Amino acid sequence: DGGITQSPKYLFRKEGQNVTLSCEQNLNHDAMYWYRQDPGQGLRLIYYSQIVNDFQKGDIAEGYSVSREKKESFPLTVTSAQKNPTAFYLCASSTGRNTGELFFGEGSRLTVL
Amino acid sequence: SQQGEEDPQALSIQEGENATMNCSYKTSINNLQWYRQNSGRGLVHLILIRSNEREKHSGRLRVTLDTSKKSSSLLITASRAADTASYFCATDQAGTALIFGKGTTLSVSS
Repeated sequence: DGGITQSPKYLFRKEGQNVTLSCEQNLNHDAMYWYRQDPGQGLRLIYYSQIVNDFQKGDIAEGYSVSREKKESFPLTVTSAQKNPTAFYLCASSTGRNTGELFFGEGSRLTVL
Repeated sequence: SQQGEEDPQALSIQEGENATMNCSYKTSINNLQWYRQNSGRGLVHLILIRSNEREKHSGRLRVTLDTSKKSSSLLITASRAADTASYFCATDQAGTALIFGKGTTLSVSS
């Protein structure tokens, strides 16, 4: 089945540690996105990529990094510089044409201890 | 940055009733989309309405768009318990990425 797979679903991290969240899609989509969601809040854009080897910062990119070496993969690293990393992280993809429908993964919940 | 704002923040209704939620945004858009999120899950796309459209239907969903007022509404008719979820509107920003509102939490009781 085509879709987006995020892993791990739950992750615990000690303060000062970097952690990488995986996002893989087999929809042959050009564009991929990372959003952060805090309790009772909407989604805030962290990074997005419209094509391999290219990505742009969203509204809250500080303390995060990404790579887009393959069309299928868009991993997100939460660095120790991110002051409040505990959140629900959502990856999405789209065909990349005219900001159409986004397809979301099931999310990764990161808790910093 | 531009963001849609949904109203109300929370809505509680009985099964069979209609649910209406609204979204306002700040700048010109190419399209507006509505998504649904069950608790702890990813978002699911419901409907997209383009800036040159005024109304769109999909099953029990009806979406309207008023670009002069920069607002949209989502109507769910004959609500079911399974409709319990959070609903988000999203608008495109400079044609690159969607910006989401904070959502309306809908609770449908049987």
